[in-house]
Amino acid sequence: DQQVKQNSPSLSVQEGRISILNCDYTNSMFDYFLWYKKYPAEGPTFLISISSIKDKNEDGRFTVFLNKSAKHLSLHIVPSQPGDSAVYFCAASAPGTGGGADGLTFGKGTHLIIQP
Amino acid sequence: NAGVTQTPKFRVLKTGQSMTLLCAQDMNHEYMYWYRQDPGMGLRLIHYSVGEGTTAKGEVPDGYNVSRLKKQNFLLGLESAAPSQTSVYFCASSWTDQETQYFGPGTRLLVL
Repeated sequence: DQQVKQNSPSLSVQEGRISILNCDYTNSMFDYFLWYKKYPAEGPTFLISISSIKDKNEDGRFTVFLNKSAKHLSLHIVPSQPGDSAVYFCAASAPGTGGGADGLTFGKGTHLIIQP
Repeated sequence: NAGVTQTPKFRVLKTGQSMTLLCAQDMNHEYMYWYRQDPGMGLRLIHYSVGEGTTAKGEVPDGYNVSRLKKQNFLLGLESAAPSQTSVYFCASSWTDQETQYFGPGTRLLVL
């Protein structure tokens, strides 16, 4: 059962326009959400995060929106640039229990392609 | 400051062989993780550690063992490799389970 879903395997956007990547989750215990960017043959790199107590977090060209009632978050990139072409993973975590950590639950990723 | 490093970068094994993947971090993080990435599957947690001398199972632990003898190192072992373990393996570390995880560059493993 997939707890974090990215339903679009790929997305093509023209340079300069807005890119919107979507992510849905099912586990109501998730309280921290992250977006990672991954280039081929490299490890994922952290992009932006949001806590469940917020509904928006902005960092330069990147904004993440969280809709808890819909269990949905989205990443907006404005304006899109050629270097943004990569695979974007949505990830979520729940509070650890008993001092443990369950890592991050990842979506399957969306391949963003920025066209010149 | 190298961040998270992984050794080796690429390895080919025959079925039944064993090997150890090494992860090292220089950020003094308490938490360390091993993930595998397969096509169309995203990243899945294999094992993790919440501190030196501790390990715990993640989502897909079967066929793997781990050890955290030193805080900065997290080892992933395959005792008897199987073709199903062909994957890209990523190590990550973080301060706490609520903090951002930082990933290494990955180890590509092919089991024939």
